[in-house]
Amino acid sequence: AQSVTQLGSHVSVSEGALVLLRCNYSSSVPPYLFWYVQYPNQGLQLLLKYTSAATLVKGINGFEAEFKKSETSFHLTKPSAHMSDAAEYFCAVIPSNDYKLSFGAGTTVTVRA
Amino acid sequence: DTGVSQNPRHKITKRGQNVTFRCDPISEHNRLYWYRQTLGQGPEFLTYFQNEAQLEKSRLLSDRFSAERPKGSFSTLEIQRTEQGDSAMYLCASSGRGIQETQYFGPGTRLLVL
Repeated sequence: AQSVTQLGSHVSVSEGALVLLRCNYSSSVPPYLFWYVQYPNQGLQLLLKYTSAATLVKGINGFEAEFKKSETSFHLTKPSAHMSDAAEYFCAVIPSNDYKLSFGAGTTVTVRA
Repeated sequence: DTGVSQNPRHKITKRGQNVTFRCDPISEHNRLYWYRQTLGQGPEFLTYFQNEAQLEKSRLLSDRFSAERPKGSFSTLEIQRTEQGDSAMYLCASSGRGIQETQYFGPGTRLLVL
């Protein structure tokens, strides 16, 4: 079974500072990896996905993530936080032989002015 | 492309009542998924349709839950004899034909069972 671990349930950053959200997965075969964002009382919006092409994936709103097979990680970064980045972020995986998403517990980001 | 829509957005019901939620996927998508999200947790898979066929049901989906997708278009999720533990956000997603294609989520239906 797939598992996804997001380190840190809550991250607080200053506006303009680096945002770093950590995600590690367990998988015996390379999975497909996703980051979704959820704003209050809304559904999930795809930020970016890794599907075995380039290991550095660029997404929307200035976010990017790097797939590191040796570390089984897929950390999400943004160089400069904006107030509008305050939301909950979920890392998710789909094994290469499956179709359903397995999500981490999520990381809530708050941005300080 | 109008996106995935869900109705109602909010539902408050009393324990023991039946509730039904509807999901309208993106029109050209043949795969449809239901997930449940409780407070402070990531979404958990409930069930999956390819066209009108329900291909997988999670162990989370007790006998009180039933999902349908007649004609492979919209889907309904019914909960019979609701319990307080059913209180959650119910999310619907749809995707295209390919494996590991992006799943696009609707806004969710938030259920509160009193």
